[in-house]
Amino acid sequence: ETGVTQTPRHLVMGMTNKKSLKCEQHLGHNAMYWYKQSAKKPLELMFVYNFKEQTENNSVPSRFSPECPNSSHLFLHLHTLQPEDSALYLCASSQGGQAQYQETQYFGPGTRLLVL
Amino acid sequence: DQQVKQNSPSLSVQEGRISILNCDYTNSMFDYFLWYKKYPAEGPTFLISISSIKDKNEDGRFTVFLNKSAKHLSLHIVPSQPGDSAVYFCAASGGNTGKLIFGQGTTLQVKP
Repeated sequence: ETGVTQTPRHLVMGMTNKKSLKCEQHLGHNAMYWYKQSAKKPLELMFVYNFKEQTENNSVPSRFSPECPNSSHLFLHLHTLQPEDSALYLCASSQGGQAQYQETQYFGPGTRLLVL
Repeated sequence: DQQVKQNSPSLSVQEGRISILNCDYTNSMFDYFLWYKKYPAEGPTFLISISSIKDKNEDGRFTVFLNKSAKHLSLHIVPSQPGDSAVYFCAASGGNTGKLIFGQGTTLQVKP
């Protein structure tokens, strides 16, 4: 595997379900990101991890819970979601470090989530 | 308050001609700008970037121009090819946060 991978690629869940999205990067990066892309909207940053430490939570509701066990893996745990949470969830990684200055982020293919 | 704006939702260009995609930003703290391309069912793919210390960066058929005084950047693709048909996002970051702010995207269609 190369680059950034995400599983599952598609997910349908009910509002009472609990599910998790997984992201793995094979680029040797130290920073990982979760983004949400809703229809007709720009990509919205949700969370940032740098060396496994969460450095950004962009006012995301608590029904989204990120986990970063190591620099290569990132999870997004989902519970009691709403239909308006249906979107494309994208994971990205970048070099990271003390100063994430002028870094390029590399994206995975995304998970298309539908909440019924 | 959208800090990065792509005011043209779509653009159609004939194969072989130049495609020009535009992006405006409002935050003067932004100092790094990127363009990403996205095909359906795939994640955004990095295309080209430019630092605020430059006003032009070229990579093959792709050139990005930055006008800091106008807070405007553009992506030129020449010659355009049908395989360039995709959604193009501009993004900007500033300071040491690594936080990227994206525009809404412009859908480019290159007709054979």
